[in-house]
Amino acid sequence: QSALTQPASVSGSPGQPITISCTGTSSDVGSYNLVSWYQQHPGKAPKLMIYEGSKRPSGVSNRFSGSKSGNTASLTISGLQAEDEADYYCCSYAGSSTPVVFGGGTKLTVL
Amino acid sequence: QLQLQESGPGLVKPSETLSLTCTVSGGSISSSAYYWGWIRQPPGKGLEWIGSIYHSGSAYYNPSLKSRVTISVHTSKNQFSLNLSSVSAADTAVYYCARLAGYGDHGDYWGQGTLVTVSS
Repeated sequence: QSALTQPASVSGSPGQPITISCTGTSSDVGSYNLVSWYQQHPGKAPKLMIYEGSKRPSGVSNRFSGSKSGNTASLTISGLQAEDEADYYCCSYAGSSTPVVFGGGTKLTVL
Repeated sequence: QLQLQESGPGLVKPSETLSLTCTVSGGSISSSAYYWGWIRQPPGKGLEWIGSIYHSGSAYYNPSLKSRVTISVHTSKNQFSLNLSSVSAADTAVYYCARLAGYGDHGDYWGQGTLVTVSS
């Protein structure tokens, strides 16, 4: 199972929106609306930000949203804040025998 | 509040077996709603799913690691464990345990992670 493809880095200024893409295949992202997104600050465990494509866990800011088109999922952060600077990973369900596949990660820099 | 805590040796010799345990507190590992998983992250690199297990013992593994991985569940202790055999320097990583929820097995609770170094 190949990893999902994410840009290595994205950047934006405070207050601006940014979008991180996550490209898979018809076997994972394209077949299921079951993409999750994680935020990871240095030295910390990943934190769930979006699950099942577009749902936000309790306590996650509504500045974070998820969507999907075809084999590509996207995470959008509106109104960038300094504390959003972190690594972001997408993850997709890929079937019952190999249920979890991660993207390579994207480093978000807030300018 | 659910908490997960990884434990085990921080240093393993090449060709030996890496063994870690995840202790779950604040909730039952026998809940029918969840799988329990291991994920690792080599230094400076991305996340890699290792495998997942249900309280019944039914487990799924990353095909790239399947020949070397065994995940077990110990319901009486509210723990699950990871054994990775024949390790090499490439297995040096922070190892996380997590609760996997929903149809997509998303990790809604994670342990803090434990660094395991493979070196002689």
